[in-house]
Amino acid sequence: QVQLVQSGAEVKKPGASVKVSCKASGYTFTDYYVHWVRQAPGKGLEWMGWINPNTGGGNSAQKFQGRVTMTRDTSISTAYMELSRLKSDDTAVYYCARPETSNLYYFDYWGQGTVVTVSS
Amino acid sequence: EIVLTQSSDFQSVTPKEKVTITCRASQSIGRSLHWYQQKPDQSPKLLIKYASQSISGVPSRFSGSGSGTDFTLSINSLEAEDAATYYCQQSHSLPLTFGGGTKVEIK
Repeated sequence: QVQLVQSGAEVKKPGASVKVSCKASGYTFTDYYVHWVRQAPGKGLEWMGWINPNTGGGNSAQKFQGRVTMTRDTSISTAYMELSRLKSDDTAVYYCARPETSNLYYFDYWGQGTVVTVSS
Repeated sequence: EIVLTQSSDFQSVTPKEKVTITCRASQSIGRSLHWYQQKPDQSPKLLIKYASQSISGVPSRFSGSGSGTDFTLSINSLEAEDAATYYCQQSHSLPLTFGGGTKVEIK
């Protein structure tokens, strides 16, 4: 069965970076894009971007461009999202998500979420 | 950027009642609108794709309709387990965007 298992909670200081991992299993990792979505406490869902695990290419929302880096390691079927220059309003749960088919943009599988807390 | 507006933040509903949640897009998105359910401390779950297409394993009491700019998620005969926040999401153009969510509480 398809599973996306994310890394554990992180606490970071403002200005630092965080790197969240998303390990995929139950399907061919390189056949599906991996997207990242975040949710601030008590707030709605916010799309951050995607990576094509086959090529390493991708796209990110303009809001995060210059601060977000999405990478992958195909040898271990894992995608990564690194967010730099953290601010307090980056405190959120970060999810990875997989679309139903590679080039579609809605999600039928989600990771369990990674809580990132930014606090001095 | 396409803005999705869910008209109500909160609904308090009696079991077995019908629930209607609306989502309006700031421009026409055809039928590229999807619905998710999120329960507390859980990841979102896909309920409906492309405005009205059902998802395997989702109870038949969940249905969707609409096209263009106006969309509706309906829950027929609400059950206690349906207490959750519901989000719409558009895939018409990047950046992907979500509605603000509608929380459904069971009375």
